Amino acid sequence: DADVTQTPRNRITKTGKRIMLECSQTKGHDRMYWYRQDPGLGLRLIYYSFDVKDINKGEISDGYSVSRQAQAKFSLSLESAIPNQTALYFCATSGRDSSTDTQYFGPGTRLTVL
Amino acid sequence: QKEVEQNSGPLSVPEGAIASLNCTYSDRVSQSFFWYRQYSGKSPELIMSIYSNGDKEDGRFTAQLNKASQYVSLLIRDSQPSDSATYLCAVRGGYNKLIFGAGTRLAVHP
Repeated sequence: DADVTQTPRNRITKTGKRIMLECSQTKGHDRMYWYRQDPGLGLRLIYYSFDVKDINKGEISDGYSVSRQAQAKFSLSLESAIPNQTALYFCATSGRDSSTDTQYFGPGTRLTVL
Repeated sequence: QKEVEQNSGPLSVPEGAIASLNCTYSDRVSQSFFWYRQYSGKSPELIMSIYSNGDKEDGRFTAQLNKASQYVSLLIRDSQPSDSATYLCAVRGGYNKLIFGAGTRLAVHP
């Protein structure tokens, strides 16, 4: 089984709809991250969380919110989706120690906002 | 100036040749550097990490770091068509945040 899973894998929605993307991990990592990827722009950090009570904005948090329901679960919400939020979204996890702080990525969610 | 810069490519090399991928970064205090490989439509996977100046070898891959020049590179020896992918350079910033370059697309042709 995959260590980091994301649901759904693909989603098509309309402008103004609320969307939630979910991420779960079985790696036992404390730290979780949400990125979006656009062609030619690489990966950009949306939000990150170092534990259940610690959530921080990343580079491009406007229009997004997150919830860390448990150590293993980190959800990303688009409260009112807009077309320029069409992108590939990745969740990642890492440990807290220098020996475990490599980030591992989930399979991604392809989101299309019409 | 972007924090992490890569040539977008495509970099085209013949099978069996050495592919050389380059990355520059702007934050002089950066200490940790990573190369990820990403196949089209898939998630990034870690290939190499490097923390000290010099070379680090792992199989056909060699990462090179020069902190004085703020430069990190990835060499792929004996390139194979299966190496065709986008290679992402990442630099660790504060709070373990990774700052990614836009990636270099590598095409290895038979």
